[in-house]
Amino acid sequence: GAGVSQSPSNKVTEKGKDVELRCDPISGHTALYWYRQSLGQGLEFLIYFQGNSAPDKSGLPSDRFSAERTGGSVSTLTIQRTQQEDSAVYLCASSLVLAGSEQYFGPGTRLTVT
Amino acid sequence: QKEVEQNSGPLSVPEGAIASLNCTYSDRVSQSFFWYRQYSGKSPELIMSIYSNGDKEDGRFTAQLNKASQYVSLLIRDSQPSDSATYLCAVQSGGSYIPTFGRGTSLIVHP
Repeated sequence: GAGVSQSPSNKVTEKGKDVELRCDPISGHTALYWYRQSLGQGLEFLIYFQGNSAPDKSGLPSDRFSAERTGGSVSTLTIQRTQQEDSAVYLCASSLVLAGSEQYFGPGTRLTVT
Repeated sequence: QKEVEQNSGPLSVPEGAIASLNCTYSDRVSQSFFWYRQYSGKSPELIMSIYSNGDKEDGRFTAQLNKASQYVSLLIRDSQPSDSATYLCAVQSGGSYIPTFGRGTSLIVHP
């Protein structure tokens, strides 16, 4: 079946602009996660959703970051007033349920802020 | 602070050998353990999960879990050059919905 999809695959934006990243999880997966991976670095957890709810937003780096999920499916991660330090690969993963379930990653969105 | 430790490597093994990748974790109540493979420039790909002490085999891969010693390992038999990648260990506690990822071990399989 179809895996996790993300769009765009690459995004180049100027400092100060807003960007919106999209994630389409595997059908039927109730849990959705966003991570960030900078070059040569590990995975940094950003936020997770159970259904449309995001119980813990403490992983978001600043108030410029926000995320939503609608219809228990597609999620968008929005970064306002982008900064150069926001440059990274943004990864989305989905899992059947939250607790102890295997996560399946999308291909990622490479964000470059110039 | 939950920690997951992996040797960054690189671990270099000859083709056909067994590659052994190790991971230790700090949270004693961890219940779910995952191994991912990440090729350069690509996203992590799930290899296998393990939840109980002992060994779990899937093809050339064997995951080994020892909760008393707080380590989980991944063995790759008959290593191939195509196995060259970074291997990520992830651990999830029973009381948390957020897995903790290690920084990964770089594996190089040379012909």
